[in-house]
Order: sequence, then C-alpha cells, then structure tokens
Amino acid sequence: EVQLLESGGGLVQPGGSLRLSCAASGFTFSNSAMSWVRQTPGQGLDWVSQISGSGGPTHYADSVKGRFTISRDNSKNALYLQMNDLRAEDTAVYYCAKDAIGAAGAFDQWGQGTLVTVSS
Amino acid sequence: EIVLTQSPATLSLSPGEGATLSCRASQSVSSYLAWYQQKPGQAPSLLIYDASNKATGIPARFSGSGSGTDFTLTISSLEPEDSAVYYCQQRSNWPFTFGGGTKVEIK
Repeated sequence: EVQLLESGGGLVQPGGSLRLSCAASGFTFSNSAMSWVRQTPGQGLDWVSQISGSGGPTHYADSVKGRFTISRDNSKNALYLQMNDLRAEDTAVYYCAKDAIGAAGAFDQWGQGTLVTVSS
Repeated sequence: EIVLTQSPATLSLSPGEGATLSCRASQSVSSYLAWYQQKPGQAPSLLIYDASNKATGIPARFSGSGSGTDFTLTISSLEPEDSAVYYCQQRSNWPFTFGGGTKVEIK
C-alpha cells in the first residue's frame, strides 16, 4: 500500500523559513517523479513544484520560484520542500503527491497534507 | 500559464441522475488532462488521467472525454458518495494548473 506522510508544517512569521518532509513507502520511490501541491483553506488546488525520480530536473510555479527548493533523498525514500522568505499568501495545506508512472504530472497518490500558516 | 475554466460551479442532482462536468483550457493541452475528486477533509484522489483513462479502482460510472481545449467528466448514475468537489488539471505544460472546481451536491 502506498503511503505518503508529510511533516514539518506549522506557524511561521513572514520572511521566515520552513522545511517540509514527505516520507514515502509502498512503491519504488526512485522510479517516480514527485510533486508538492498546496491548497489554501477553503480554496482550490495550486501546483507548487515537481522533481524527477533521479532528483535531476526540477520545476516550480512562478509564485515560488527563487524562494522554494524541492529535493529528494532516494536512499531514505524522502521528499523535501525548503521554503524561504515565506509570505502570507503561502499559507496553505501542502500535499506531497506521487506522479503517475507513464503520466508524470498526473498525481495518483496523495499524502494527508501538512498545514503551513504564515502570520505575525 | 494555461488557465482551466470549469463549469458549472455547482451541480445539484438526485441519486441515479447523470452529471456532466466541463473543463475548458485556454490553449490546447492535447490529451494531458486529469480529473480529481476531493471530499471534505480529505486529499484529492485521481479519477481520470490523460482525458479518458480511469485510475485504478475507479467505478465504471465515471468516464472522461475530450481533447485539445474541451473536456468532460461524466458520472453516469450518481451515488450519494459522489458528493464532492471535482477538479481538472493539465500536465501539458509547466506550470501544471488546476481548474477552480465543480461542487457536486446530491439532493
């Protein structure tokens, strides 16, 4: 059974930093691209970033480019999102999502999400 | 950035009725369009990928169609558990984008 478990969310002041983690199990982690998707409370979904299975090519939404960094450790089956210079508009539930094999960019498994609140 | 526009915003139907949800893209996404279902308090779950391919375990009453800029998610006979928000999403171009969602209410 595929499991994705996010951690690291919390309350942070504007301009602060936070590192999210996602522990993956139940599939061959290094074979799958992975993504972060966020959802503002009560609002829609917003793709944040994607990383290839090898950790090579990465892609970001324009709203986070230069502030967020996605990375992975395939030896630990772990995905990360380093978030710097956080803004109020970054407040959201952040989901770790597994890209579908053969359809990278479609997300066939999701974690339960971790809430990030940016407020003074 | 490709903008996805979903309609209607809300659909209120009775069990057993059929539902047709629309997603229109601001430019062609070929067939690289997915549909997700999200119930309150839960993460989204994949229903359809690449316009018409059902994800594992998805009931037969769900189907997807379309290509280019116009796509449809059809629920042939609504069940009470289909009450949810449905999102479309394109993976044709970065940044990947989602539509604003259609809320399906079961009367």
